[in-house]
Amino acid sequence: QVQLQESGPGLVKPSQTLSLTCTVSGGSISSGGYYWSWIRQHPGKGLEWIGYIYYSGSTYYNPSLKSRVTISVDTSKNQFSLKLSSVTAADTAVYYCARAGVMLTPIDPWGQGTLVTVSS
Amino acid sequence: QSALTQPASVSGSPGQSITISCTGTSSDVGSYNLVSWYQQHPGKAPKLMIYEVSKRPSGVSNRFSGSKSGNTASLTISGLQAEDEADYYCCSYAGSSTSVFGGGTKLTVL
Repeated sequence: QVQLQESGPGLVKPSQTLSLTCTVSGGSISSGGYYWSWIRQHPGKGLEWIGYIYYSGSTYYNPSLKSRVTISVDTSKNQFSLKLSSVTAADTAVYYCARAGVMLTPIDPWGQGTLVTVSS
Repeated sequence: QSALTQPASVSGSPGQSITISCTGTSSDVGSYNLVSWYQQHPGKAPKLMIYEVSKRPSGVSNRFSGSKSGNTASLTISGLQAEDEADYYCCSYAGSSTSVFGGGTKLTVL
């Protein structure tokens, strides 16, 4: 079955760019029909959409993060990536990559999540 | 759009049934049969439990069921077990290629 795995630095300095990659195995991003998503969870808080990308490259970003977010896809590597610029301590969170169906439901599967801490 | 409204916490004893509500608006929950529910144990990723209001993925216990009335969706867990203790999140399609999560509900099994 499809599995997702996040990778990237666990510590980022304030004002720098957070970069994460999600590697998809057991299925092809290019097969279509799914939105490859980034979702984050602040410590002790709820889930927040960051955005998503379709294999064709079309994207959607949460309006509250839109000015700082870029999501890209590399179909040759079966990966998609997240860049979040000008980070502050408020961006400290567990970041999940996930696959969302048409109409953004269901969201399944999810990666295991990776904690990114913003600190100097 | 605003987050869906869930109770912060619910509790129940083993064997009992509990229901978690998820209240949205006519723009999200009320307009689409596209509500899903996720279970999250501490330190773990969310797990899909219910999708399209009441459908259960393969492997999810039939003790979990979902329903919707108007702008409110509900998740019911029957025959409560200790392993059900977790956080639960609802999520609804909200139109224009967006969806919104609920704030989450902590289920305590007494």
